[in-house]
Amino acid sequence: EDQVTQSPEALRLQEGESSSLNCSYTVSGLRGLFWYRQDPGKGPEFLFTLYSAGEEKEKERLKATLTKKESFLHITAPKPEDSATYLCAVQAAGGGNKLTFGTGTQLKVEL
Amino acid sequence: EAQVTQNPRYLITVTGKKLTVTCSQNMNHEYMSWYRQDPGLGLRQIYYSMNVEVTDKGDVPEGYKVSRKEKRNFPLILESPSPNQTSLYFCASSQGRGNEQFFGPGTRLTVL
Repeated sequence: EDQVTQSPEALRLQEGESSSLNCSYTVSGLRGLFWYRQDPGKGPEFLFTLYSAGEEKEKERLKATLTKKESFLHITAPKPEDSATYLCAVQAAGGGNKLTFGTGTQLKVEL
Repeated sequence: EAQVTQNPRYLITVTGKKLTVTCSQNMNHEYMSWYRQDPGLGLRQIYYSMNVEVTDKGDVPEGYKVSRKEKRNFPLILESPSPNQTSLYFCASSQGRGNEQFFGPGTRLTVL
């Protein structure tokens, strides 16, 4: 069974204090690993897709990396508007289009 | 604007009263899914559809039905809702397997 574990569950940062969120996964053949951002009361918003170990993607202050067992979302010099819950999900290679999600890291960036 | 829409956004109902949550996408996507989100459990897939008239079960299909008669629409039907179906529901669509899924704004359902 595919599994995704995210850590930490919650993270509080000062503005400008860089950090990383972790996503550990087990999947029977990885089709893709996805990062989403979710604001309270809203649907998840797509950030990145990573397909193979060693791949990296960047967008503004966010950088996602992938190994065979885990992915990291690095946040450089965060701002208060980066406060949100960050979700990691995997999709297995075989059958369907199911995303298996972790329970998320709730990030709060303070002034 | 490319989007996934859901209606209603909020619904309070009673046990056993049939209800339908609608979902529509304007991106001509092949794949559509329904998820529920519960505290501590994350998002879990209920049903998905790969094309018109093609649907399959996700991880938690019990108590739900879906249909895909048109490419853009994918309604979620609760024939006899129960309190354990109180949850936040999201519809999503994607161009294909391996592509990012675009999520709707969510429907918060309370079953009394």
